[in-house]
Amino acid sequence: EAGVAQSPRYKIIEKRQSVAFWCNPISGHATLYWYQQILGQGPKLLIQFQNNGVVDDSQLPKDRFSAERLKGVDSTLKIQPAKLEDSAVYLCASSLKGGSTDTQYFGPGTRLTVL
Amino acid sequence: GENVEQHPSTLSVQEGDSAVIKCTYSDSASNYFPWYKQELGKGPQLIIDIRSNVGEKKDQRIAVTLNKTAKHFSLHITETQPEDSAVYFCAASRGSGYSTLTFGKGTMLLVSP
Repeated sequence: EAGVAQSPRYKIIEKRQSVAFWCNPISGHATLYWYQQILGQGPKLLIQFQNNGVVDDSQLPKDRFSAERLKGVDSTLKIQPAKLEDSAVYLCASSLKGGSTDTQYFGPGTRLTVL
Repeated sequence: GENVEQHPSTLSVQEGDSAVIKCTYSDSASNYFPWYKQELGKGPQLIIDIRSNVGEKKDQRIAVTLNKTAKHFSLHITETQPEDSAVYFCAASRGSGYSTLTFGKGTMLLVSP
């Protein structure tokens, strides 16, 4: 079974530029999560989709971050404009049904450096 | 909201020794506690979890214990091996509906041969 795929793996941009990350979850998984992992910290949930609807985006900085999951499969996370403090690893995860005790399967992440 | 504290931040042991990582949580309504292992350049991977109706759970060399009264839970790894070296995260959630996971800051475990 293929895992969660993410691209790109690394991205370096200057502040105020925009950037987009892509995620392809495990086939058949209804729930998709985007996490931000700052160096030395645990993952922090940014947004959770159930199929193509948003379940929780309470910690998403909506003035600069946006995410979509068209057709309930792939998802993109965008930052515009980027700030220095956005430097982090952005992790995508998926789970089968989305229940809070469902196992979440994580992708390898995209490491973003904002200069 | 939930707050999860994790200790120690780093842990060095000799191969064959045991390792213990401890976490505390603040939300008394939390009742699901997973542990994740993250190797360099990879995403976290679930290694074991425990629910509030259970005090202890074992899976080969790893075990997790939960004390709901004290609001703390621990990961125990016995007979450590070099391949156990990684960052370990504890997490907590209310375990109902779509309640989300809150992660600790992680423990870097180094197992020396």
